[in-house]
Amino acid sequence: DGGITQSPKYLFRKEGQNVTLSCEQNLNHDAMYWYRQDPGQGLRLIYYSQIVNDFQKGDIAEGYSVSREKKESFPLTVTSAQKNPTAFYLCASSRRQGTFYEQYFGPGTRLTVT
Amino acid sequence: GENVEQHPSTLSVQEGDSAVIKCTYSDSASNYFPWYKQELGKRPQLIIDIRSNVGEKKDQRIAVTLNKTAKHFSLHITETQPEDSAVYFCAATDRNNFNKFYFGSGTKLNVKP
Repeated sequence: DGGITQSPKYLFRKEGQNVTLSCEQNLNHDAMYWYRQDPGQGLRLIYYSQIVNDFQKGDIAEGYSVSREKKESFPLTVTSAQKNPTAFYLCASSRRQGTFYEQYFGPGTRLTVT
Repeated sequence: GENVEQHPSTLSVQEGDSAVIKCTYSDSASNYFPWYKQELGKRPQLIIDIRSNVGEKKDQRIAVTLNKTAKHFSLHITETQPEDSAVYFCAATDRNNFNKFYFGSGTKLNVKP
């Protein structure tokens, strides 16, 4: 959805460097997420946050860190501890529809680490 | 946690034919099942969803069916067009946290003109 922005679109880093990916949303959604997508594979959850100042690990959190200081922002840091960081990273947010949540994605950041 | 399996991984159909993509899930407590379409290099877009109290939902050429007993749900696209070519993902929610989603591995649909 156009209300979720990620920057930059492409990012190149040298091995051993930490890098932070930006995700902003102006949809007033409470929950935000980070997914990793590798070629030919599905979406794997890295971290998610349901409210400000709170976040939970997903299935592949090792080597990543996040913060949620503002409702609109959920930056992801890929640390040097992440063994294979080259991937397409997708941020998402979700809105509540009764007891259900509809999830919407940002345009993604393609990270290449050499 | 939930386990979502999706088949087939690739699907090739002739323009105008129908396409069916199937997903199974492991947790009977999952209650919301969205489908996403992702074009090459783009973000996944929510195209249709179904909730556990409904058996079928249609939106123009797209429909989704849910069989709670068998724990599977399917995406049906009729009268396929070349612009339907994309990767499609199914997902299901976590039993304890309806705000957490598990995704299938994706189906690459190719519609041949």
